[in-house]
Amino acid sequence: EAGVVQSPRYKIIEKKQPVAFWCNPISGHNTLYWYRQNLGQGPELLIRYENEEAVDDSQLPKDRFSAERLKGVDSTLKIQPAELGDSAVYLCASSPSTSGGRQKTDTQYFGPGTRLTVL
Amino acid sequence: ELKVEQNPLFLSMQEGKNYTIYCNYSTTSDRLYWYRQDPGKSLESLFVLLSNGAVKQEGRLMASLDTKARLSTLHITAAVHDLSATYFCAVDGAGNQFYFGTGTSLTVIP
Repeated sequence: EAGVVQSPRYKIIEKKQPVAFWCNPISGHNTLYWYRQNLGQGPELLIRYENEEAVDDSQLPKDRFSAERLKGVDSTLKIQPAELGDSAVYLCASSPSTSGGRQKTDTQYFGPGTRLTVL
Repeated sequence: ELKVEQNPLFLSMQEGKNYTIYCNYSTTSDRLYWYRQDPGKSLESLFVLLSNGAVKQEGRLMASLDTKARLSTLHITAAVHDLSATYFCAVDGAGNQFYFGTGTSLTVIP
């Protein structure tokens, strides 16, 4: 079974430019997460989707970040315009169930991430 | 906001030795996860701990959970070089949101 797929793996842009990341979760997984991981730190949640609905976006900097999950499968995360401080690894994860139908052993499965460098 | 702290942050140990990584968290939760991350790679799930007193073992790693003390431990037995990585614990907060610890960077020296 294929894991979580992300692209691109690496992206280098100049500040003030836009950038977009794409994620394809594990087939059948209803919940999708976007995390940002700064160097030497643990991942921090940006947004969580249950199917196509964003149910937690409290940590998403809404002035420049946006996300969508059309049809409840693939998702894109966009930054416009990018700032120097946005340099990080952006991780996508998925899990089988929504919070309303939690399975006891649910865990999150992570993609390889997109390493963003803003110059 | 739920806070998760790990210690030590950095650990250098010799092959064959034993050591324990600690994960403390600030609020009630009955689910805790351990992940491994190799340099430049994504996170790999190691253990899922779902109740007080849960203990899971895989090879040279053993994880335990004490929900009353809000503490989980990851014990390494007879370390080998292949275990060198960064280890994260994550606590399941409200609404299936994971809060990750700061990570413990483990280096096993021959």
